[in-house]
Order: sequence, then structure tokens, then C-alpha cells
Amino acid sequence: KAGVTQTPRYLIKTRGQQVTLSCSPISGHRSVSWYQQTPGQGLQFLFEYFSETQRNKGNFPGRFSGRQFSNSRSEMNVSTLELGDSALYLCASSPLPRKGGYTFGSGTRLTVV
Amino acid sequence: AQTVTQSQPEMSVQEAETVTLSCTYDTSESDYYLFWYKQPPSRQMILVIRQEAYKQQNATENRFSVNFQKAAKSFSLKISDSQLGDAAMYFCARSNSGGSNYKLTFGKGTLLTVNP
Repeated sequence: KAGVTQTPRYLIKTRGQQVTLSCSPISGHRSVSWYQQTPGQGLQFLFEYFSETQRNKGNFPGRFSGRQFSNSRSEMNVSTLELGDSALYLCASSPLPRKGGYTFGSGTRLTVV
Repeated sequence: AQTVTQSQPEMSVQEAETVTLSCTYDTSESDYYLFWYKQPPSRQMILVIRQEAYKQQNATENRFSVNFQKAAKSFSLKISDSQLGDAAMYFCARSNSGGSNYKLTFGKGTLLTVNP
């Protein structure tokens, strides 16, 4: 059974650009969550999607957005990139939104220069 | 803010020895999950063990076990017979359940080194 797949693995963007990251959950998983990991702030919740609907959003500016498709694949978008957006972005999936935990992907390392 | 605290930024252990990683948390909820995740250099967060708050029995997974003290809001991870492959960053996390919305709140992590 394939795990959570995130693409690309690495990305370098220039300040002011926008970026789209992709996450394919485990087959049959319908809930997808996104987290940002930085050395200073640690792991922070971005948002969660279930059945193509955003169910929960963390404390991030509106430049951070996402969506989920009918096949449960999810994308997150960051517009007008800032240097501080450089981070590891992790996606996690679960069969249903639940307290029981999620399976994480290996992340996308975004560097903003 | 409801937080998760890992007071040990770094720990080291000799191969085959036992090590305990500490975690305390804050919550106003009665029903939640606690987790320990491992993040090796490959970056993937790997679930090590999970504990349901309403279960008094401590969870165990092979060489990994927890000491869950609900009243004290403490959730430590014990690794027995440490192996070189256990070297990684370990994160303690708690689930939030504001209504039907779930998310994980993580501690800052403990970097575990295993010495041969």
C-alpha cells in the first residue's frame, strides 16, 4: 500500500512568487491535513480537508490556501512568498477526520530566496 | 494557548540501554489522544505510539512504552534496548477536538542520539 506522497520534494522560489504543493493521500484516506515545520516555530497546523471541504484552519495569513479534489488529493498554495515561508511542509492523511492520528508524508522542503 | 512541552531538547543513550523522553501537555478536554512521532533525517514523521486519554492502561509497542499520568498531564516515552536506528528527533503531540475539528499540537521535539 503506497504511503502519503508529496511532490515536489524540494522547491526553490523567489520572494513574491507563488507556489503550489501537492499531496496524494493513502488510497482510501479522505482526510488530509497540512503542517508547516520550521526550526523556530516547530510544527504548526495549517489546515485540514475532508470531502473537498476545509474543516479547520490554523493561524496563518490568507496567503496560505488549499483545496481538496474529489479523489482526495490535496494542494496547498502560498502566494506572495516571503523569506519566512521557507519551511518543510508536511501532509498527513487519515481515513476519516479523527483524533486517532494521521500518516505523514516526507514533506516538501520550500526555500524562498 | 494549549501547549505541549518537551523539556529535553537533546538526549543521548548507549546502544542496548533504556532512555525516557519527557512530555507534558495542557488541555481542558477529557477526550483526546496523545502521540509520539519519530522524525529521522529522511524527514518523514513516523508514528511510534499512541495513547487514548480515556484508557488508563499505558500503551506499548514492542520496545516502546509510555507512562501516561492523566492527572499530572504527563506522557513520557520509554525506549528499551535502544538501537542505532532509534536515533532521530522525537515529537510528542496531542490531538485537539474542538467540536468535530481535529488537529495535532506538537512539542518542540527531543533529539535522541544513540551511541554505539
